[in-house]
Parts: sequence; C-alpha cells; structure tokens
Amino acid sequence: NAGVMQNPRHLVRRRGQEARLRCSPMKGHSHVYWYRQLPEEGLKFMVYLQKENIIDESGMPKERFSAEFPKEGPSILRIQQVVRGDSAAYFCASSPPQRVNTDTQYFGPGTRLTVL
Amino acid sequence: QKEVEQNSGPLSVPEGAIASLNCTYSDRVSQSFFWYRQYSGKSPELIMSIYSNGDKEDGRFTAQLNKASQYVSLLIRDSQPSDSATYLCAVNRGDTGFQKLVFGTGTRLLVSP
Repeated sequence: NAGVMQNPRHLVRRRGQEARLRCSPMKGHSHVYWYRQLPEEGLKFMVYLQKENIIDESGMPKERFSAEFPKEGPSILRIQQVVRGDSAAYFCASSPPQRVNTDTQYFGPGTRLTVL
Repeated sequence: QKEVEQNSGPLSVPEGAIASLNCTYSDRVSQSFFWYRQYSGKSPELIMSIYSNGDKEDGRFTAQLNKASQYVSLLIRDSQPSDSATYLCAVNRGDTGFQKLVFGTGTRLLVSP
C-alpha cells in the first residue's frame, strides 16, 4: 500500500531554469494539495486539485507557478524561471474523495528545491 | 494576528514527563483540527485529528479542543526522546468546500533522556 509519492526528492536548479515537481497520490485518492515550506517557516497552502481540475489556487504566486493533475499520470507543480526565493521544500498531500471537509491529508516525502 | 499561532519553543521536557503543546486559532468558523509531527528534514506525519469539543485520546496522545476559547492542545504522556520533533497544529476552516489547512509554524519539542 504505497503512500504519496513525490519525485524528485532533491532538485537543484540555476536561476532562470524551470523546475518540475511530481506527485502521485495514494491509491484511491483523487484530491491533491500542494504546500510550500520555507526554511524555519510553517507549511503554506498553494493549490488544491482534483483530476483535470484546479479547485483552488489562492495560495499560489500569480506568476511563474502552475499546477496540473491530468486524467492519467501524476500531479505536476511547475515553476518557471526559478529565483533563489523559490528554494524550499514542496510537499504534496492527498485525500480520498469522500467527506472532503473532514478527511485526513496524507503527505508525501517532499521535494527539496535548491536554486543556485 | 496569525490565523494559527503556536509557541515556537523549544519546549524541553525530561523523559517520562507530560509534554503539553498549545495552539490558538483566529477564525471561529474552523471545524476540524489536526496535529502533525515533523522530524527535521522529513514530511509531516498525522498524529491526531479532532472535530468536537473535549478530549480525544489515542495511546500516549490526547488532543483537547475548546471552540469557545479557540484553543487546541496536544498532550504527550510518558514522553520519549523519539518524540523530539516539531509539532504542527493545522486548522481547516471548512467554509471553502474543501479541506484547506492552515498550519501554525510549529512547536519544537525536545525530550531529554
């Protein structure tokens, strides 16, 4: 029973490059959430997706960041033209489709992005 | 005022003692509350969820919720050195139609042998 999977676990990019972070939810889960954790800070909600739909992206920066959760395949968080301030741990969480307001989110191991 | 506030710590307790972690939240519409444990460099791991006023016990852990005071706490009995971690309080407002968690910055717990 695999948990939430994320890859890569560590990603190094130079300023101006693109970063692609992948998340495969737990089996049976159709809701995916992305969070960012800056050093010494708490987790900040970025975006909530269901299959083929972005439900809420209120926590995502307006520029350079995008997310998708296609019908087939993992959810992707894409950061274009990365800057040093994007260096953080990016966590994906998933939850099952029922009782959305009370269901538990299970976190993946995270992708640690370092921008040089 | 932050939506979810926690004392950053560190909270130091000796092995075998009770550790008490506290969290306050600002939004009265919040409906569900979670405690996550995060070891350094690792991902958050769910410890407890609580939805109703009162206490909820699970092994050595007890979560307490007081919606009138907008206060959530986590008690860890018989603390062990392996409990040393950062404990994150998370609150779901519940008015968005989905589980939009707001996290506190966490309390670092140190349990000394």
